Amino acid sequence: GQSLEQPSEVTAVEGAIVQINCTYQTSGFYGLSWYQQHDGGAPTFLSYNALDGLEETGRFSSFLSRSDSYGYLLLQELQMKDSASYFCAVKGNAGNMLTFGGGTRLMVKP
Amino acid sequence: EAGVTQFPSHSVIEKGQTVTLRCDPISGHDNLYWYRRVMGKEIKFLLHFVKESKQDESGMPNNRFLAERTGGTYSTLKVQPAELEDSGVYFCASSQVGGGPQFFGPGTRLTVL
Repeated sequence: GQSLEQPSEVTAVEGAIVQINCTYQTSGFYGLSWYQQHDGGAPTFLSYNALDGLEETGRFSSFLSRSDSYGYLLLQELQMKDSASYFCAVKGNAGNMLTFGGGTRLMVKP
Repeated sequence: EAGVTQFPSHSVIEKGQTVTLRCDPISGHDNLYWYRRVMGKEIKFLLHFVKESKQDESGMPNNRFLAERTGGTYSTLKVQPAELEDSGVYFCASSQVGGGPQFFGPGTRLTVL
């Protein structure tokens, strides 16, 4: 089977840095993706890590350690508009299907 | 470039009725996926098309669900007859040949009464 664990909720203040962790147990692993979803909206692709290390895209960075089956999403200089749900998802086989975590609801406060 | 679109955005039907959801992927994307999120649970994979062929339908819950992608462009997902437990948000996603990130549509919120 496949499972991904991430915190259900995180709260932070505007301008701060927040890290959302994701641990996974999967029968296969090709890569870890992160998606952002605002209420009622489409999950929006943020990043994809296939190899160990840190990938940086503007204020957002994503890290992967395959040996630890662990990754995280780092959000810097938090803005109110970053309040949303964030999902990690594993691409577990060559067929491209994604297995999602339960999502982390991030609340950014003034 | 237009994103993935889905229709309708909301559907409310009674148990036993039929509903058809439509997804238009990003133009040129051969891969098309259906996912759904039932209340309080994770987004779960339903099936994957490559052009008009079903590549993987291991996530389809039962034979009340029928997905088609005639001509390899848009796709439909029919639920017949609908049951209460089918309520949830149905997402469609698409990606280019060879993989790459999956781009999601806004979803169809289905409520079965």
